[in-house]
Amino acid sequence: SQQGEEDPQALSIQEGENATMNCSYKTSINNLQWYRQNSGRGLVHLILIRSNEREKHSGRLRVTLDTSKKSSSLLITASRAADTASYFCATDEPGANSKLTFGKGITLSVRP
Amino acid sequence: DTGVSQDPRHKITKRGQNVTFRCDPISEHNRLYWYRQTLGQGPEFLTYFQNEAQLEKSRLLSDRFSAERPKGSFSTLEIQRTEQGDSAMYLCASSLTNRIGNTIYFGEGSWLTVV
Repeated sequence: SQQGEEDPQALSIQEGENATMNCSYKTSINNLQWYRQNSGRGLVHLILIRSNEREKHSGRLRVTLDTSKKSSSLLITASRAADTASYFCATDEPGANSKLTFGKGITLSVRP
Repeated sequence: DTGVSQDPRHKITKRGQNVTFRCDPISEHNRLYWYRQTLGQGPEFLTYFQNEAQLEKSRLLSDRFSAERPKGSFSTLEIQRTEQGDSAMYLCASSLTNRIGNTIYFGEGSWLTVV
């Protein structure tokens, strides 16, 4: 079963704009990870945020985590055409032995 | 490239045939996972290994599926008597588990088309 639900399901923006993607989940977590997937390719790990962290940055990426609301957001600043991809959040639940549960993903299109 | 590698990348097979996928995890990673992904969906967990021991199998893994990880290094996923519903991308991932919150690295996936 899929725990995470990303929002919106699809997002289209102009190059240079910021993209914000949201993820909600249902159970307690050890951590939450965001991945990118280009069409027909494997998943590329973007960032991991632990349950005791509220915000993390990596380059143009900013991830927030609100465990009280069971939600996370991924912000991509100054988007580029190369950011066009599907983005997934995945949760690592206590007792799950690092087995990740994914949402259905968000399709991001960045127009040049 | 020292990432997770999978082989073959694409496989087209006739219904009823057997197929085998291979995964080579990142060196020294003790955990290895198999996931399945269909179009428009996120990956779904199939099974995982801690070293050579298969510790969990999803109910998605029917009796026609078998996975092995001899010697705790590479892994194989075999599907016997393939059905059209098996068409999907099969993703392998690995991690080094020595504490909570380890990054899990995925390979490029193996696409299976059953005709």
